[in-house]
Amino acid sequence: EVQLVESGGGLVKPGGSLRLSCAASGFTFSSYSMNWVRQAPGKGLEWVSSISSSSSYIYYADSVKGRFTISRDNAKNSLYLQMNSLRAEDTAVYYCARVHGSGSYWFDYWGQGTLVTVSS
Amino acid sequence: QLVLTQSPSASASLGASVKLTCTLSSGHSSYAIAWHQQQPEKGPRYLMKLNSDGSHSKGDGIPDRFSGSSSGAERYLTISSLQSEDEADYYCQTWGTGLWVFGGGTKLTVL
Repeated sequence: EVQLVESGGGLVKPGGSLRLSCAASGFTFSSYSMNWVRQAPGKGLEWVSSISSSSSYIYYADSVKGRFTISRDNAKNSLYLQMNSLRAEDTAVYYCARVHGSGSYWFDYWGQGTLVTVSS
Repeated sequence: QLVLTQSPSASASLGASVKLTCTLSSGHSSYAIAWHQQQPEKGPRYLMKLNSDGSHSKGDGIPDRFSGSSSGAERYLTISSLQSEDEADYYCQTWGTGLWVFGGGTKLTVL
């Protein structure tokens, strides 16, 4: 069974940093591209960042470019999101999501999310 | 610019059918999309990938009550025999070179 479990969320002050993790199991993690998607309170889904299976290709939404860094450790079956210079508008539930497979682009499994609150 | 447009809300009665629409922006009518369901207080769940010709492939365990179809720039999700657990937000998703886009979501109310 595919499982994605996010962790690392919490309350942080504006300008602060936080590192999110996503632990993957039930599939060969190293074969799949992974993504972070966020959802502000009461709002829709917003794609944040994507990383290919071997970390060769990395993409960011304009809203986080230069502040967030996506990475992965295939030996640990883990995905990460380092978030720096956090702003109030970064407050959201952050989900990790798996891309369907090689040559695919849609997300086929999601985690349950971790809440990040940026507030003084 | 790649944009997906969804109606904010929809409603239908228990046991009835409902058809949700996702519209691709001009110049992108050949794009495939994916549909995702988000029940209250839960993470999203993948429903299906839907191609421009209407062919679709569903996720694991998705009931036959969920189906997809396409016409031009519009992508549809039809849910038949509505059940109370179908009350949820439904999002469409598409992708381009180095970016992924979600529609604003449709909140489905089952009456």
